[in-house]
Amino acid sequence: QVQLVQSGTEVKKPGASVKVSCKTSGFSFTNYFIHWVRQAPGQGLEWLGRINPDGDITRYAQKFQGRLTMTRDTSTSTFYMELNSLRSEDTALYYCAREFLTAGTLNMDVWGTGTTVTVSS
Amino acid sequence: QSVLTQPPSVSAAPGQKVTISCSGSSFNIGNNYVSWYQQFPGTAPKLLISKNNNRPSGIPDRFSGSKSGTSATLAITGLQTGDEAEYYCGTWDDSLSGGVFGTGTKVTVL
Repeated sequence: QVQLVQSGTEVKKPGASVKVSCKTSGFSFTNYFIHWVRQAPGQGLEWLGRINPDGDITRYAQKFQGRLTMTRDTSTSTFYMELNSLRSEDTALYYCAREFLTAGTLNMDVWGTGTTVTVSS
Repeated sequence: QSVLTQPPSVSAAPGQKVTISCSGSSFNIGNNYVSWYQQFPGTAPKLLISKNNNRPSGIPDRFSGSKSGTSATLAITGLQTGDEAEYYCGTWDDSLSGGVFGTGTKVTVL
């Protein structure tokens, strides 16, 4: 079945980097964007960015420009989100989600298993 | 702070109807499609409505979406206790060249 399986819980110190993986299966990722969304404890959803299936076009939320990198490995159908210079405010549950290639939408129909990232000294 | 504004909470008795508004601008809702998501505590969001008013397979017709100008609305009819959840609108923002979510609305069944 269609699945997005993410890597496990991460605990990082301020200033460090974290790289979260999202392994896709059950569908051809060549027809989908992969988005990354986070949710801080008790807060709402925050869009981080998306990557196209070819891995050559990314869009990042402005507040993460310069700190966020999204990549993909076609050989393993796995997508990655790396966030640098971590601070306590980055503590959140991070999700990947797929969206069929469409302009002007945010239709994420399958979501990943979620990865908890805790930033603490 | 989100560019899409939703009421923090709405409530109604079982069987009644609730509506959730999502207010944006010409850069987002006014020029793009709106989606709605349902989220229960401790679980990932679930796509409820796509492209303003389309229900993905398996979503009951008690849920409906609409859009007018720079605002969108999610309606839930025949409210059930199982509908108690957080609801978010989302769309693309052309000025930000990125996705945006609403502030979220908690639905309570009285």
